Amino acid sequence: EAQVTQNPRYLITVTGKKLTVTCSQNMNHEYMSWYRQDPGLGLRQIYYSMNVEVTDKGDVPEGYKVSRKEKRNFPLILESPSPNQTSLYFCASSPGTSGGSYQETQYFGPGTRLLVL
Amino acid sequence: GDSVTQMEGPVTLSEEAFLTINCTYTATGYPSLFWYVQYPGEGLQLLLKATKADDKGSNKGFEATYRKETTSFHLEKGSVQVSDSAVYFCALKERRGGATNKLIFGTGTLLAVQP
Repeated sequence: EAQVTQNPRYLITVTGKKLTVTCSQNMNHEYMSWYRQDPGLGLRQIYYSMNVEVTDKGDVPEGYKVSRKEKRNFPLILESPSPNQTSLYFCASSPGTSGGSYQETQYFGPGTRLLVL
Repeated sequence: GDSVTQMEGPVTLSEEAFLTINCTYTATGYPSLFWYVQYPGEGLQLLLKATKADDKGSNKGFEATYRKETTSFHLEKGSVQVSDSAVYFCALKERRGGATNKLIFGTGTLLAVQP
C-alpha cells in the first residue's frame, strides 16, 4: 500500500531533551516536507527537501533540523525542544514539484502529536 | 505574501443539507488550488483540486470551481452525510518558475453533520 508513515504518533517529552520524529514514504517520491498544525493557524511548512541531500527552510524552521540521506526517509529533529514546539506535525511527499498536477499533489502522513513540558 | 482565507467554523448542518464552505485566496501568480479533508484522528487527504481558471474539481459529491475573477474556490456539496464530519482545509500552491511545492493553507473549517 502506498503511504507515508510517521513515528511516533504521540510523544510527551520535557524541555531540552533531543528527539527525532521519523517519516518514510514507499512511493519513490522526490519531494518531502514537514508541516506543523496549530489551532487558528492552519498548517505551516517547517522544512522541505527536493531530493536526496537537498533540503531548505520553510516558513517556520527555527528550532528544527532535517536530513535527507535516503530518498524514502526525511526525519525531523528537535535538538532542544521547547514548549512552543508543542504541536501536531505532518510529513508529506509528492512525486515532484512541476510537470503537472500529478507531480505536485502531496500525500500526508497520519501526524505526530507532540507535547513538550 | 500569498494567503488563503476560509470561513470560520464550526459549520453545523443536518444530514442531507446543502454545504458551502467559502475560500478566497491572494496570490501574485497563478496558483493551483486544493481542498484537503482531515477526519478525526487522521492525517490530511486530498479531496479535490483545480490547476487553472474555470477548472472544476470534484470528488465524493464535493465540487469546487476555480474562479480567478473573484479569487475564490468555494467547496460545495448538495447533500451532506454524517460521515462528512471533518475539518476541511483550502490550500494553494504557487506555480512560479523555480517555486517549491509548498502548500499555503487556510485555518480549516470544522464541519459537523447531525443525523
